[in-house]
Amino acid sequence: AQSVAQPEDQVNVAEGNPLTVKCTYSVSGNPYLFWYVQYPNRGLQFLLKYITGDNLVKGSYGFEAEFNKSQTSFHLKKPSALVSDSALYFCAVRDTWGYQKVTFGIGTKLQVIP
Amino acid sequence: DSGVTQTPKHLITATGQRVTLRCSPRSGDLSVYWYQQSLDQGLQFLIHYYNGEERAKGNILERFSAQQFPDLHSELNLSSLELGDSALYFCASSQGQGAQETQYFGPGTRLLVL
Repeated sequence: AQSVAQPEDQVNVAEGNPLTVKCTYSVSGNPYLFWYVQYPNRGLQFLLKYITGDNLVKGSYGFEAEFNKSQTSFHLKKPSALVSDSALYFCAVRDTWGYQKVTFGIGTKLQVIP
Repeated sequence: DSGVTQTPKHLITATGQRVTLRCSPRSGDLSVYWYQQSLDQGLQFLIHYYNGEERAKGNILERFSAQQFPDLHSELNLSSLELGDSALYFCASSQGQGAQETQYFGPGTRLLVL
């Protein structure tokens, strides 16, 4: 069975500081990994994904994520946080072995403090 | 704007009733996925349709059913509604059905069962 964990319910960071939102996963085969962001009363917006290749994935709005196979992690990062980045962030995983649904983490609320 | 549309945006109904939620995928997308988002369960996969055929089922109750029509729009039918069915219902679409495909989410339908 596949699973994904977001160990922090909330992350607070000062505007202009680097931010990290953590995600670890468990799959039987190899993972496809995704990050989504949800603003209040909105649907999920796709940020980036890891399929294969370079472990550092760059996405929308200046976000990037690093795939670390040995640590089974896919942390989301941004060099300089903006107040407008405040939102709910979801990590998701899909196993490449067989048909697997996308499994989402519980979400991490990012609060960027002015 | 993801290009995925959902109607209605809000729905208030009573226990025991039946409702239909509608989703139109992005132009050219053949897959439609339905998700339920609640505070206690997070984002749960319900069902996946690809080009009119049911592809996979997740945590979908027997009281719930879905279909995808020849024009590729999809409907999620919820019957014998209970208070616990109150949630945000999202649909997402992707071009194909591969595990690496990005799912693009609609704005959701907020269902309140009184």
